[in-house]
Amino acid sequence: EAGVTQSPTHLIKTRGQQATLRCSPISGHTSVYWYQQALGLGLQFLLWYDEGEERNRGNFPPRFSGRQFPNYSSELNVNALELEDSALYLCASSSVGQFTGELFFGEGSRLTVL
Amino acid sequence: DAKTTQPPSMDCAEGRAANLPCNHSTISGNEYVYWYRQIHSQGPQYIIHGLKNNETNEMASLIITEDRKSSTLILPHATLRDTAVYYCIALPGGTSYGKLTFGQGTILTVHP
Repeated sequence: EAGVTQSPTHLIKTRGQQATLRCSPISGHTSVYWYQQALGLGLQFLLWYDEGEERNRGNFPPRFSGRQFPNYSSELNVNALELEDSALYLCASSSVGQFTGELFFGEGSRLTVL
Repeated sequence: DAKTTQPPSMDCAEGRAANLPCNHSTISGNEYVYWYRQIHSQGPQYIIHGLKNNETNEMASLIITEDRKSSTLILPHATLRDTAVYYCIALPGGTSYGKLTFGQGTILTVHP
């Protein structure tokens, strides 16, 4: 069974540009979560999508946005990139809409902002 | 969500049991204890969780004290591949709005 897949693996952008990261959940999983892991800041919750709807959002500015498609895959968009957006962006999925705490994470997309 | 406290680092010899402590003295009655680990440059991996009874799976055992103020994750026969950051998380049962709060965790280094 394929795990959570993320693309691209690495992405380099410059300040002010936009970045789009993609995530495919495990087959049968309807919930997708996004986390940011910046150096020295640990894992920070960004967004939770379930059945195409945004269910919760972490303490991030509006230029962080996303969506979930009918096939449950998801996109994270970061607009007006800033240097401090450089981080590993992790996507996770789970099998039920009600959050249970057992998430399956992908390997992440490393975003570098120059 | 209750705050958890873990030692910043621990060492363990290969083949020995690794016992990773976690303090969660403010945990409430409906909060579960979850453990994840993150091997360098990989995504976090779920290990185990429990409410008040001890739990065991193919990866590890979780021992929760009777007063639930602390717990210990036990890797019975640590291998070099178990070197990772281990996170202890207290999480309310039911809807928690999708948010796991990861602290700094414990860096476990398994030595040959």
